[in-house]
Amino acid sequence: QVQLQESGPGLVKPSETLSLTCSVSGGSINSGYWTWIRQPPGKGLEWIGCIYYTGSTNQKTSLNSRVTISVDTSKNQFSLKLGSVTAADTAVYYCARGGLPGGFDFWGQGTLVTVSS
Amino acid sequence: QSALTQPPSASGSPGQSVTISCTGTSSDVGGYNYVSWYQQHPGKAPKLMIYEVSKRPSGVPDRFSGSKSGNTASLTVSGLQAEDEADYYCTSYAGSNIYVFGTGTKVTFL
Repeated sequence: QVQLQESGPGLVKPSETLSLTCSVSGGSINSGYWTWIRQPPGKGLEWIGCIYYTGSTNQKTSLNSRVTISVDTSKNQFSLKLGSVTAADTAVYYCARGGLPGGFDFWGQGTLVTVSS
Repeated sequence: QSALTQPPSASGSPGQSVTISCTGTSSDVGGYNYVSWYQQHPGKAPKLMIYEVSKRPSGVPDRFSGSKSGNTASLTVSGLQAEDEADYYCTSYAGSNIYVFGTGTKVTFL
């Protein structure tokens, strides 16, 4: 059973960079797509972007210039960096496995990141 | 990449059926058979319930079914049970390895 676990600071100051890591266990990161999704408090889910295990990435257009997603196959991890954050970036951030064709089938428990000074 | 449109809420009596719609465009829902549905209980991570419009992952009860017509996909929960009260989100592939989520629907008992 694949398990994912997000880690990173729970508080980030406005204009700084949010950095999160997703550790994958119970399976190898060396196949398929790995995804970041977020959910502002009390609101819906938002797809942020994904990375193929080879390193190619895709991001939501409106976040494109602020998002960097990377993978470290040696550590079985992938990461998210979101620059120039504002209060609007406050959310629970989830990492997940998948995309095409089978949907996002395994999820981390989520980590709340608050943007505040 | 606008969010797919779902009704904010849907309700049914225990044992009855409830259907949730998910409306997009020909660039997402209507253009690909890659719609999936997620169930989310409060404080929990979403759980995959349906993928590729109508396929169920192992372990998901057959009370959950999906379909699609044109730019609208639907999730039907038959024989509503207490544990089915949750938020439900659809998502669709939108081309170029981009995905879009629906606005979410809260399912409750009448």
